[in-house]
Amino acid sequence: DTGVSQDPRHKITKRGQNVTFRCDPISEHNRLYWYRQTLGQGPEFLTYFQNEAQLEKSRLLSDRFSAERPKGSFSTLEIQRTEQGDSAMYLCASSTTSGNEQFFGPGTRLTVL
Amino acid sequence: GESVGLHLPTLSVQEGDNSIINCAYSNSASDYFIWYKQESGKGPQFIIDIRSNMDKRQGQRVTVLLNKTVKHLSLQIAATQPGDSAVYFCAEKYSRKLSFGAGTTVTVRA
Repeated sequence: DTGVSQDPRHKITKRGQNVTFRCDPISEHNRLYWYRQTLGQGPEFLTYFQNEAQLEKSRLLSDRFSAERPKGSFSTLEIQRTEQGDSAMYLCASSTTSGNEQFFGPGTRLTVL
Repeated sequence: GESVGLHLPTLSVQEGDNSIINCAYSNSASDYFIWYKQESGKGPQFIIDIRSNMDKRQGQRVTVLLNKTVKHLSLQIAATQPGDSAVYFCAEKYSRKLSFGAGTTVTVRA
């Protein structure tokens, strides 16, 4: 399968713990996006990378959230001191620089107890 | 005035009938629009797209209509099948990121 992959698919954690998610984009895609989706809502943009550079961050991305894409390939999204309000599906997408279509991964479902 | 379809959060359709899903977008500067289908526990899956300089585009069993005057998109699915049951989202692209509308849950009745 050469699509976007995300790991883990599910994560249950206790409030206050740190969690890290990984996204592997489609190999020739140099843009990578993170979105958050809560139940019944559409995905909301969090941040995006062009190669290793993080070019835009949403105001939704509080100081407890950090994303990296150190070698311009896979990306990680870390949430520190998780809160119950962080419970959501975290989606990763990728695209080419010139392409409009974003291809989504299966998501990581986070539950904070 | 022109009639614009209302966005409905749910749509129940008889198998074999046509479905019409409506969406209002917010940014008149958006230059690209996509319809995504999302099944339970999965990420959004691309269905069809349209650029802002077009008003209609057809795919396999699907047609997207764009009305820029009233900032409205619609997705028409012909001969709806059980596999079409999912949540459908429209998304507008502006400045490299996508903004998603409220989804419509489509249920196909056998």
